[in-house]
Amino acid sequence: QVQLRESGPGLVKPSQTLSLTCTISNGSISSGDYFWSWVRQHPGKGLEWIGYVYYTGPSYYNPSLKSQVSMSVDRSQNHFSLRLSSVTAADTAVYYCARYEWGSGDYYFDSWGQGTLVTVSS
Amino acid sequence: QSALTQPPSASGSPGQSVTISCTGTSSDVDVYNFISWYQQLPGKAPKLLIYDVTKRPSGVPDRFSGSKSGNAASLTVSRLQAEDEGDYYCGSYAGSNNVIFGGGTKLTVL
Repeated sequence: QVQLRESGPGLVKPSQTLSLTCTISNGSISSGDYFWSWVRQHPGKGLEWIGYVYYTGPSYYNPSLKSQVSMSVDRSQNHFSLRLSSVTAADTAVYYCARYEWGSGDYYFDSWGQGTLVTVSS
Repeated sequence: QSALTQPPSASGSPGQSVTISCTGTSSDVDVYNFISWYQQLPGKAPKLLIYDVTKRPSGVPDRFSGSKSGNAASLTVSRLQAEDEGDYYCGSYAGSNNVIFGGGTKLTVL
């Protein structure tokens, strides 16, 4: 069973760039059936899709975050990454990486990381 | 894109059934049969319960079922158990490589 694990700083200063990595175990990032995704959850709030990236590089983002977000894939390391620029306190959240199934004609998140809390504060 | 609409809370007694609604628009729920439901237990990551409106991944009890009519989807939890208490989210593909979630429903087992 595939396992995902987020890693990165738990504290980021306002106006700086938040950078997270999701490492994949028991599976390959190069599988064509999935998009590799980021979802966040503000404290006490619901889920917000940030975007996803395909193993060959194309990425797609939530329109409300598009100006801040970039995602990338490192096939040699079997991981993918999120960068969120110019962060403010409103970006404080638990960030999840997740695998988005699409290859079989179905569309859903079938595996999730445990999540990592990122706090934006000076 | 707007979030899907879910009631903030739902409740039921053990053994009863409860249904959680998820309302979208003609751009998402009404158009696509790619509705999924996720269970988030306290302090845990979301877990897939239902996909493609009605399908259950292996390992998910058949007490969980999904349906859709027009722009509204529903999750029904039958034979409620104490361990079902948590937050439930619907999600939908919204076209043009967009994904949206509902605001979440807190399920309380009385």
